[in-house]
Amino acid sequence: DVVMTQSPLSLPVTLGQPASISCRSSQSLVSSDGHTYLNWYQQRPGHSPRRLIYRVSNRDSGAPDRFSGSGSGTDFTLEISRVEAEDVGVYYCVQGTHWPHTFGQGTKLEIK
Amino acid sequence: EGQLVESGGRLVQPGGSLRLSCAASGFNFNIYWMHWVRQAPGKGLEWISLIKYDGGATSYADSVKGRFTVSRDNAKNTLYLQMNSLRAEDTAVYYCATLSWSETDFWGQGTLVTVSS
Repeated sequence: DVVMTQSPLSLPVTLGQPASISCRSSQSLVSSDGHTYLNWYQQRPGHSPRRLIYRVSNRDSGAPDRFSGSGSGTDFTLEISRVEAEDVGVYYCVQGTHWPHTFGQGTKLEIK
Repeated sequence: EGQLVESGGRLVQPGGSLRLSCAASGFNFNIYWMHWVRQAPGKGLEWISLIKYDGGATSYADSVKGRFTVSRDNAKNTLYLQMNSLRAEDTAVYYCATLSWSETDFWGQGTLVTVSS
């Protein structure tokens, strides 16, 4: 199975400052069809996960433009340009290129 | 707006069985691959199963393979998860989701399964 490794696991950030979360896969996530199936999710306390980014860098329509995704192959990054209070929660990457699909361990973002 | 609503979660004894349902509305369920994802108390998300839009393919995490079976009824817009030989470590909130890679993504609110004597 493909192992998804996120870092850091805990991310204290000052309001208004940028934040970055890394997600590394144990195998390349480039599919035979040329697409890379890597999404980012946010889970606020007490809520279901909500997708922010799909296929590496495509922002969901409901996601604030301060969120962006990048990367290729086995290395991927979620960036928040200026952290706001509502960004508190746990962030997960998930791959769908290989079966079974696998999630990263999650990165808990908190406000300093 | 699309919606997924899970049901069927409850307290069950170790070794017991349970069937979860996930009712879809507000979107074309028939064209979506569907997934089950679970979250043990205080833990992260664990992908456990998928089923192709026509039911023609399925996949499972090793942790549930041979014990859980995913199915769907497109006429009823409903996804199912049959869980057998339940263990304490299966205790979790179970979510159904489209886990989409392009089109709109939908998740349910989750249903709690507790395996305990």
